[in-house]
Amino acid sequence: EVQLVESGGGLVQPGGSPRLSCAASGFTFNTYWMHWVRQAPGKGLMWVSRISRDGRATYYADSVKGRFTISRDNAKNTLYLQMNSLSAEDTAVYYCAREVSVAGTGIDYWGQGALVTVSS
Amino acid sequence: QTVVTQEPSLSVSPGGTVTLTCGLRSGSVSTSYYPSWYQQTPGQAPRTLIHSTNTRSSGVPDRFSGSILGNKAALTITGAQADDECDYYCVLYMGSGISVFGGGTKLTVL
Repeated sequence: EVQLVESGGGLVQPGGSPRLSCAASGFTFNTYWMHWVRQAPGKGLMWVSRISRDGRATYYADSVKGRFTISRDNAKNTLYLQMNSLSAEDTAVYYCAREVSVAGTGIDYWGQGALVTVSS
Repeated sequence: QTVVTQEPSLSVSPGGTVTLTCGLRSGSVSTSYYPSWYQQTPGQAPRTLIHSTNTRSSGVPDRFSGSILGNKAALTITGAQADDECDYYCVLYMGSGISVFGGGTKLTVL
């Protein structure tokens, strides 16, 4: 069974730099592209970032480019999102998600999400 | 700034058919955008319904179908049920590694 379990969320001060983790199991992690998607309270889903199977290719939404860094450790079956210079607008549930086997064609599995609240 | 458009809200009668659409503020959606569709109930993680325009995800009933209608991607729900009442999101792959979600459609079954 595919499982994606996020961790590392919580209350963060403005300007803070938390790192989210996503532990993957039930599939061969290093053969899938992975995503981060977020959802601000009461708002819609927003694509944040994508990473290739080997971690060499990374892509970001304009609103997080230069502040967020996606990475992965295939030996640990873990995806990461390093977030820097956070503001209240970054308050959201952050979902880890697996791309369908062919890159670009969509997401097939989602984690349950990790809430990041940016507040002083 | 790419904008992916969805109807903010739609309604359907129980047992009826409804089509949700996913368009671009500028341009037409084709299969090259690999449109995908997701269902989300409040407080829950999204669930994948359709990817690559019309491929149903594992376990999704065949009353959910995806297509291209005119210049938009479409999700059609036939035989609507009460538990179909929730939010639906589309995503388009814009190329160069970038994906964009639509604003979502709140579906009411009444």
